[in-house]
Amino acid sequence: GNSVTQMEGPVTLSEEAFLTINCTYTATGYPSLFWYVQYPGEGLQLLLKATKADDKGSNKGFEATYRKETTSFHLEKGSVQVSDSAVYFCALRDGTSYGKLTFGQGTILTVHP
Amino acid sequence: EAGVAQSPRYKIIEKRQSVAFWCNPISGHATLYWYQQILGQGPKLLIQFQNNGVVDDSQLPKDRFSAERLKGVDSTLKIQPAKLEDSAVYLCASSLRGGQADTQYFGPGTRLTVL
Repeated sequence: GNSVTQMEGPVTLSEEAFLTINCTYTATGYPSLFWYVQYPGEGLQLLLKATKADDKGSNKGFEATYRKETTSFHLEKGSVQVSDSAVYFCALRDGTSYGKLTFGQGTILTVHP
Repeated sequence: EAGVAQSPRYKIIEKRQSVAFWCNPISGHATLYWYQQILGQGPKLLIQFQNNGVVDDSQLPKDRFSAERLKGVDSTLKIQPAKLEDSAVYLCASSLRGGQADTQYFGPGTRLTVL
């Protein structure tokens, strides 16, 4: 079955530091890949997505590239802010018509001033 | 555009009691999902509707959980009787058609505590 593995957290960084959160996946076929973010007290929000190999998703300074050869979709940001403190979830959706989202366990990011 | 609405936001019950959650998806969205998010884990799909038909309920504990989507719009998820391990956040999401690249929009969730 499908699965998503995220790097273990929590991750604590100083403001303006570089961020990488690793995500690898196992899936049949050609899944779409997503990063969702959950800010404190709020619901899940789509951060970015990529639907085919070598696609790069980007939003709010975050980027992730769909690497089929390494089955990875690592999230990066060049300079984090305190407001980026949240829980980040990597997810995939398989190729069936009504494919469900399979989530990783989430990575807690805390950014200090 | 209004987002996905859920109620209640919080619920505390004792084990063996019953509870129901309500979800109103984004207008015009054909696909509706219920996820269970246990503390420290990612959300897990419980059931998926396409209009008012079920397309995936493989991870729904059918002996105690039930869900319906009346007229292909609002949906209700029920637990009867509740167990301690049902303590979690129940998330409702909707998407336009349910295709592979379709974006799912999530509601704020209902936090259930079973004592």
